[in-house]
Amino acid sequence: QKEVEQNSGPLSVPEGAIASLNCTYSDRGSQSFFWYRQYSGKSPELIMSIYSNGDKEDGRFTAQLNKASQYVSLLIRDSQPSDSATYLCAVDTGRRALTFGSGTRLQVQP
Amino acid sequence: EAGVAQSPRYKIIEKRQSVAFWCNPISGHATLYWYQQILGQGPKLLIQFQNNGVVDDSQLPKDRFSAERLKGVDSTLKIQPAKLEDSAVYLCASSRGSSGANVLTFGAGSRLTVL
Repeated sequence: QKEVEQNSGPLSVPEGAIASLNCTYSDRGSQSFFWYRQYSGKSPELIMSIYSNGDKEDGRFTAQLNKASQYVSLLIRDSQPSDSATYLCAVDTGRRALTFGSGTRLQVQP
Repeated sequence: EAGVAQSPRYKIIEKRQSVAFWCNPISGHATLYWYQQILGQGPKLLIQFQNNGVVDDSQLPKDRFSAERLKGVDSTLKIQPAKLEDSAVYLCASSRGSSGANVLTFGAGSRLTVL
């Protein structure tokens, strides 16, 4: 079982719609959770972090965490073509380094 | 603040040759990471330094990969001899390393092609 699992996609949504990206993790001791965005040919950039159960909102982005279900999600409201990228879920299991999923490719259709 | 600097950005070598990548972290960041990202996959941790000491190198193929972080600042990752499967982007990241949330900032990466 992979430590961090994501659907590879592509996830295709129309412009203006809500994109929902999901991630599950295996280590119950995981403490911190991150979403990175990676454009093709570029390095990952942090867009959201979440540390406690519930929702965290930042502009058009909402991260959701359910530690009991070992589940993290990212919602992108009013999706724009510029949001088209690969979204990487990353987990800190307490070792301080992050373990990454394989990423979900999001395509926003104009 | 200046970001994480990496060089070279691109490198093409023949298999069995050697290559070295350099990284300069964000000033004041105690923790430095090297990740390997193969096309279509997420980044995989190779080695983690705290200041100039190794915290985790469990996934570093030590028969061919080596890394050092002299004086707790710059770091070098070396591959010798390279194999075809080493073709990847090598990402350097750094973080403050203090208690609390561990936010990593990545450099632009070094893309290696092994022919």
